[in-house]
Amino acid sequence: AQSVTQPDIHITVSEGASLELRCNYSYGATPYLFWYVQSPGQGLQLLLKYFSGDTLVQGIKGFEAEFKRSQSSFNLRKPSVHWSDAAEYFCAVSNNNDMRFGAGTRLTVKP
Amino acid sequence: EADIYQTPRYLVIGTGKKITLECSQTMGHDKMYWYQQDPGMELHLIHYSYGVNSTEKGDLSSESTVSRIRTEHFPLTLESARPSHTSQYLCASSKSGGVGSYGYTFGSGTRLTVV
Repeated sequence: AQSVTQPDIHITVSEGASLELRCNYSYGATPYLFWYVQSPGQGLQLLLKYFSGDTLVQGIKGFEAEFKRSQSSFNLRKPSVHWSDAAEYFCAVSNNNDMRFGAGTRLTVKP
Repeated sequence: EADIYQTPRYLVIGTGKKITLECSQTMGHDKMYWYQQDPGMELHLIHYSYGVNSTEKGDLSSESTVSRIRTEHFPLTLESARPSHTSQYLCASSKSGGVGSYGYTFGSGTRLTVV
């Protein structure tokens, strides 16, 4: 069965600084991988997804993620963080039948 | 605009009451899901449906029940609420043809507090 680990529970970055959120997955075959963002009191919004092709995936709001099969990782990055990026971020893996989510990383943005 | 709606957004209810959390989607998606979300924890799948008259329990043991009489509607019912049911409940839907291809669309959630 597939599973996801997000090693960082909480990350704080300064506005304008770069960001990398880590995600490691466990799955025997090529997975479908996702990043979602959740603002307070809201549901989850899809940022980007990967299945095949270019290992660097572009998403909404200036986010990108890189799939590294050798490291079983799918880390999310943003070159310059904005205060509005403060939220909870969830990595997810799917076998095309259902989806497993990590525990999330809470991002705080300092002025 | 196609979307997925959950009502109520917030609910405070006494122990022992029966409650129904509503979820409706206007996208014609066949697959629908209920997740329970607690702070610092992964989302736990409690129920899912792949179409009308099809419902299954998820990984997390739950005392709730669901029904799927219409494609667009997937309500979750707690027959007798307990403080341990206090949580956020998220409804999601997906097109048929593979979750991986389309991902999930989520509602805004219902924050339930049982006192």
